[in-house]
Amino acid sequence: GNSVTQMEGPVTLSEEAFLTINCTYTATGYPSLFWYVQYPGEGLQLLLKATKADDKGSNKGFEATYRKETTSFHLEKGSVQVSDSAVYFCALMNNAGNNRKLIWGLGTSLAVNP
Amino acid sequence: NAGVTQTPKFRILKIGQSMTLQCTQDMNHNYMYWYRQDPGMGLKLIYYSVGAGITDKGEVPNGYNVSRSTTEDFPLRLELAAPSQTSVYFCASRTPGQGEQYFGPGTRLTVT
Repeated sequence: GNSVTQMEGPVTLSEEAFLTINCTYTATGYPSLFWYVQYPGEGLQLLLKATKADDKGSNKGFEATYRKETTSFHLEKGSVQVSDSAVYFCALMNNAGNNRKLIWGLGTSLAVNP
Repeated sequence: NAGVTQTPKFRILKIGQSMTLQCTQDMNHNYMYWYRQDPGMGLKLIYYSVGAGITDKGEVPNGYNVSRSTTEDFPLRLELAAPSQTSVYFCASRTPGQGEQYFGPGTRLTVT
């Protein structure tokens, strides 16, 4: 079946540090991949996405590359800010067959200290 | 567009009471979802709908009911509230074939 595995948090970094949050997936066919972000007290919002192998999604300084050979979609940012403190969710949508539901990772909490 | 709106923002229920969480979207999205998020945890799908008149169970449907009489509205009903239903509830919607889900701001529910 389809599944998403994220690295466990919490992740605590100092401002301007490099961030990587690992995400790997299992899926049949060729899924689309997403990173969502949830700021404290808010709902989730789409951060970036990639719809096919080797695509790179990017937004707000965050990047993730769809790696089919390693079934991964790791989130990276070169220099984090305090305002990046949030929970980050990796998700996939299977484009083959039943794609009514997104498959979600468990989320990774990030705290950035000044 | 207002996007996805949810009411109320906060609610405290006593054990055994019932209530309806409202969700409305103005983006003409066919697909709508209800999730619950327990403290420090990920999302769990309660129910979803792929169009007016069509609903289906998610991972954790027990203790909840939904209806979808219009494209815009997808209310979630809690019957006989229990402390285990203390959570934050999120409604979301999307267009078929597009992975981006639009989330409402959430309803924080406490059952005591």
